[in-house]
Amino acid sequence: EAGVAQSPRYKIIEKRQSVAFWCNPISGHATLYWYQQILGQGPKLLIQFQNNGVVDDSQLPKDRFSAERLKGVDSTLKIQPAKLEDSAVYLCASSALAGGFQETQYFGPGTRLLVL
Amino acid sequence: QQQVKQSPQSLIVQKGGISIINCAYENTAFDYFPWYQQFPGKGPALLIAIRPDVSEKKEGRFTISFNKSAKQFSLHIMDSQPGDSATYFCAASMNSGYSTLTFGKGTMLLVSP
Repeated sequence: EAGVAQSPRYKIIEKRQSVAFWCNPISGHATLYWYQQILGQGPKLLIQFQNNGVVDDSQLPKDRFSAERLKGVDSTLKIQPAKLEDSAVYLCASSALAGGFQETQYFGPGTRLLVL
Repeated sequence: QQQVKQSPQSLIVQKGGISIINCAYENTAFDYFPWYQQFPGKGPALLIAIRPDVSEKKEGRFTISFNKSAKQFSLHIMDSQPGDSATYFCAASMNSGYSTLTFGKGTMLLVSP
């Protein structure tokens, strides 16, 4: 079974530039998550999708971050414009929904972003 | 507000020793407590998880101990091996249909040969 795929793996940009990350979840997983992991901290949820609908985006800085999950499969996360404090690893995860409960979240390898 | 507090921040254990990592939570609605293991350059991977209806769960060398009244849970790694060297995160969620995980800050474990 293929895991969660993310690209690119690394990205270096200057502040005020824009950047986009792509995620392909495990086949059949209805739920997709984007997390931000700052060095030395645990992952922090940015947004959660159930199929192509947003379930939770309460911690997404909506003035600069946006995400979409067209057709309920792949997802993209965009930052525009980037700030220095956005330097982090952006993790995508997916999980299946069974009997009304979320099953295990499987994480991709992440995209490491450095904003200069 | 940090809802899941994890300690220690880092830990060095000799090969064959016992590694212990502790977490405390605040939200009494949490009812699912997983531990994730993360190697450098990789995403976190589920190691073991527990629900509050049991006080202990063991899988191989890994054991979770859970104290509902104290709102604490811990990970014990028996016979620690150099290959266990990684960052460990505790997490908690309400296992409803749309639950989200709240992670601790992580513990960097180094098992010396």
